[in-house]
Amino acid sequence: TQLLEQSPQFLSIQEGENLTVYCNSSSVFSSLQWYRQEPGEGPVLLVTVVTGGEVKKLKRLTFQFGDARKDSSLHITAAQPGDTGLYLCAGVDSGGSNYKLTFGKGTLLTVNP
Amino acid sequence: GAGVSQSPRYKVAKRGQDVALRCDPISGHVSLFWYQQALGQGPEFLTYFQNEAQLDKSGLPSDRFFAERPEGSVSTLKIQRTQQEDSAVYLCASSRPPSLRGYTFGSGTRLTVV
Repeated sequence: TQLLEQSPQFLSIQEGENLTVYCNSSSVFSSLQWYRQEPGEGPVLLVTVVTGGEVKKLKRLTFQFGDARKDSSLHITAAQPGDTGLYLCAGVDSGGSNYKLTFGKGTLLTVNP
Repeated sequence: GAGVSQSPRYKVAKRGQDVALRCDPISGHVSLFWYQQALGQGPEFLTYFQNEAQLDKSGLPSDRFFAERPEGSVSTLKIQRTQQEDSAVYLCASSRPPSLRGYTFGSGTRLTVV
């Protein structure tokens, strides 16, 4: 069973601050996905990274996949209250099925105005 | 439809009652998944369908859980003789072929067993 560990578990910051959240595993993943989940809703896909060392940018969000494809980070620049939510990373195991997602427990981000 | 639709949004069941949760995936999406999300946790895989075939049910926690997708579109997750530990949000997701590039999730059904 692969484990994805996310840190920090909780993060509360002021509007305009920068932040980074981390997703780490001992397993190698074919791909790693980041989702944001708001209360009472399902996770919404933000990005998928598939190549070791890959960096993707989505407006103020920057995602990086580790060279060994075992870890990833999400950096948010100038956070806004609308960024508040649960950020989940999820991986597809390179040695297993090509469809089953393993999720971390998430980072609950609160951006205060 | 435009998105993955789940019903009911909320369900309160008395312990021992049977429940049925419905998922209507995006039209044309071959793959359908059920996940269980306990409070404060990330979603955990339950089962996977490709069209009407249930290809993986390894995540179903017990034989009280049963899922079907008889015509390859709408799916139902049934839980028999519900227990308090079944309380969770049940999420459905769909995609075209099994995709390394992400899935579309519904809003979930929050099941509370009392």
